[in-house]
Amino acid sequence: SAVISQKPSRDICQRGTSLTIQCQVDSQVTMMFWYRQQPGQSLTLIATANQGSEATYESGFVIDKFPISRPNLTFSTLTVSNMSPEDSSIYLCSVGGATETQYFGPGTRLLVL
Amino acid sequence: AQTVTQSQPEMSVQEAETVTLSCTYDTSENNYYLFWYKQPPSRQMILVIRQEAYKQQNATENRFSVNFQKAAKSFSLKISDSQLGDTAMYFCAFDPEAGGGSEKLVFGKGTKLTVNP
Repeated sequence: SAVISQKPSRDICQRGTSLTIQCQVDSQVTMMFWYRQQPGQSLTLIATANQGSEATYESGFVIDKFPISRPNLTFSTLTVSNMSPEDSSIYLCSVGGATETQYFGPGTRLLVL
Repeated sequence: AQTVTQSQPEMSVQEAETVTLSCTYDTSENNYYLFWYKQPPSRQMILVIRQEAYKQQNATENRFSVNFQKAAKSFSLKISDSQLGDTAMYFCAFDPEAGGGSEKLVFGKGTKLTVNP
């Protein structure tokens, strides 16, 4: 399975600011995904990061709030814009592997004050 | 809508004993993949086991095995000889579009498992 790293691992941010989370994979992958895990909750898919084109967002998530970049097959970023306390969550990236299995990064724990 | 239900928010088991976590799902698809993921307190999501819906044989992975009942849309996880390191949140998930290329996963709400010494 791929080795996935995320930066930062955690952050505390002020309301109204933005944070960019990086996801790096040690091998080229076609599919990359961004999830949100609110406190004590399950994972919700935010979007699929497509290389060379715009991300595909799930219902309830919009590009203005969660812009995503995918400049190549090993890297993606998720920005959480104009943050509010409701954005406090763990944000995880994942990559699609063989046999449609997804592998997850360690996550970024975000607290918005 | 495709959903995954984990009816046990929390469970506990004594070390070395066996525990079964339940999962049911709802889909009209015939071909799909099912997964169990483990999220220890350190929060790294780890794949525990996977099952292809077209395979009748239940998947096994060392101490972990599943009981896949396709007609009942049930996918339970059995952990044998439980160890302290098994303490974690366990999420059941499925890919409802096997072979469709989207690889979207639908997750259940999770079961918090505690293994007691």
